[in-house]
Amino acid sequence: GDSVTQMEGPVTLSEEAFLTINCTYTATGYPSLFWYVQYPGEGLQLLLKATKADDKGSNKGFEATYRKETTSFHLEKGSVQVSDSAVYFCALSGRAAGNKLTFGGGTRVLVKP
Amino acid sequence: KAGVTQTPRYLIKTRGQQVTLSCSPISGHRSVSWYQQTPGQGLQFLFEYFSETQRNKGNFPGRFSGRQFSNSRSEMNVSTLELGDSALYLCASSLDAVSGYTFGSGTRLTVV
Repeated sequence: GDSVTQMEGPVTLSEEAFLTINCTYTATGYPSLFWYVQYPGEGLQLLLKATKADDKGSNKGFEATYRKETTSFHLEKGSVQVSDSAVYFCALSGRAAGNKLTFGGGTRVLVKP
Repeated sequence: KAGVTQTPRYLIKTRGQQVTLSCSPISGHRSVSWYQQTPGQGLQFLFEYFSETQRNKGNFPGRFSGRQFSNSRSEMNVSTLELGDSALYLCASSLDAVSGYTFGSGTRLTVV
């Protein structure tokens, strides 16, 4: 079945550092890929998405490129802020599985001033 | 526009009881999905409803059930609660799988 693997955290960074969170997936066909962010005590917020190979999703300074050849969707941000401290989830929606999101385990990011 | 609304936000129940959680999707979204989030198992898919029909179901016991009404509002029910059912239950609505899902803030269920 579908699966998503993302790097375990926590990831601790200083403000203005570069952030990368690795995400790889296994799915049949051509899934849509997503990054969600969860702040303490809240639900998930869609950060960005990509629906086909080589698409780049971007939002709030975050970027991720759909790489079909490496089945990856790594999240990057050039200069993090304290407010980026959260848990980040990589997810896919496989058409073969219907409207269902399969999530990675989440990566906690802590940005220190 | 209003987001996905889940009620209640917090709930404490005793083992053996049953509970009903409610979710109001974004206006116009006909797909509603439910997820369970726990520290040990992460985010797991419970079920998805579309136009009042269950379209997809995860690997949860029959104690977990749901339904969707004609206005797309959805409820999930858990009967004979167990301690392990303590979790954050998240509801999400969507236009389609490509658009992505909008999540509510969740209902934090504690079973004692």
